[in-house]
Amino acid sequence: TQLLEQSPQFLSIQEGENLTVYCNSSSVFSSLQWYRQEPGEGPVLLVTVVTGGEVKKLKRLTFQFGDARKDSSLHITAAQPGDTGLYLCAGLSSNTGKLIFGQGTTLQVKP
Amino acid sequence: DAGVIQSPRHEVTEMGQEVTLRCKPISGHDYLFWYRQTMMRGLELLIYFNNNVPIDDSGMPEDRFSAKMPNASFSTLKIQPSEPRDSAVYFCASNTGTKVSDTQYFGPGTRLTVL
Repeated sequence: TQLLEQSPQFLSIQEGENLTVYCNSSSVFSSLQWYRQEPGEGPVLLVTVVTGGEVKKLKRLTFQFGDARKDSSLHITAAQPGDTGLYLCAGLSSNTGKLIFGQGTTLQVKP
Repeated sequence: DAGVIQSPRHEVTEMGQEVTLRCKPISGHDYLFWYRQTMMRGLELLIYFNNNVPIDDSGMPEDRFSAKMPNASFSTLKIQPSEPRDSAVYFCASNTGTKVSDTQYFGPGTRLTVL
């Protein structure tokens, strides 16, 4: 069974701080997606990374896919209260073609 | 576009009762997915359809769960009989592309509480 482990599970920081969320697995994935979910809503796709070592930037968010395509990270620079939410990584299984989600990282950014 | 529509948004029922959750995917999307989200297990795929046909139901926990998609604009997830451990948020998502791996758009979810 392919699993994705996210760390940390919870993160509470002050506005303006930087943070990194990690998504790790012992399995190789065809691609990896990051979602953000706000209370009472469904997850919304932020980015998809496909190539090992790929780096994508979305304003203050930087996403990286590991060289071996087993892990990924999300780095937020100068966090804002609007960044508060649940961040989910999801790997596309090369065996089943289905998305496998991590448990999520709950981020709270205090003003 | 209205996005993926789910109803009801909240459902409270008693153990043993039948529960039916409903989903209207985004028009033109060929794939429809049902997920369950809990604190303990995170977001789990239950079943997905392609062109109204169930493709993979390996995530359906037990025979008490069933899902149908009678047409391209409607799907149901039924639990009969319901149990307290079924309490979770159930999401429906649809997919814009031609592959199961293409971008999924999630609905707002149905929060189910079984007493």
